[in-house]
Amino acid sequence: KNQVEQSPQSLIILEGKNCTLQCNYTVSPFSNLRWYKQDTGRGPVSLTIMTFSENTKSNGRYTATLDADTKQSSLHITASQLSDSASYICVVSPRDNYGQNFVFGPGTRLSVLP
Amino acid sequence: KAGVTQTPRYLIKTRGQQVTLSCSPISGHRSVSWYQQTPGQGLQFLFEYFSETQRNKGNFPGRFSGRQFSNSRSEMNVSTLELGDSALYLCASSLAVSPNSPLHFGNGTRLTVT
Repeated sequence: KNQVEQSPQSLIILEGKNCTLQCNYTVSPFSNLRWYKQDTGRGPVSLTIMTFSENTKSNGRYTATLDADTKQSSLHITASQLSDSASYICVVSPRDNYGQNFVFGPGTRLSVLP
Repeated sequence: KAGVTQTPRYLIKTRGQQVTLSCSPISGHRSVSWYQQTPGQGLQFLFEYFSETQRNKGNFPGRFSGRQFSNSRSEMNVSTLELGDSALYLCASSLAVSPNSPLHFGNGTRLTVT
């Protein structure tokens, strides 16, 4: 069964610190892996999209890595800001997916404190 | 460029009633997909429409249905509402020219069933 797991479930850090969120998946084969940021009461916003052949992708202070051999991805946030407080969702698209029926992780809830 | 617009933002309905949610995609996007988000299950794919045709369907009962119009706007209908249907319903649009096409979410409709 295609599944995506994320850890930790929640995380609290101080403003200015770095953090790393983890994503493990069993979706195989897959086309791409995505990271989304979702603020409370809002829709998810895309941070990065990596194809199965990419190892890393950056978007400002956000850097995602992908290891297709171990089926793991991570999202590293550098110099955190209060506005980074949100849920971060890992999403995997199966290779035979010609639509939008992605496999979603449960998300990691990040709280950045002043 | 305007983003994905969902209406209404909030809805309160009674068990047994039916409800229709609306989604206007980003101009030029032909794919519209719908997702249900609950605290317990996370994000789950409902269905996707592309050029007025349902291209994919998730594992939801037949009470959940949708359609897409010639201008790509989409509606989702839930009949005979149950308490468990209370959720944030998210719509997303995409150019869908490849499996790696970015997905753009609206801010959702919060449905409460009492």
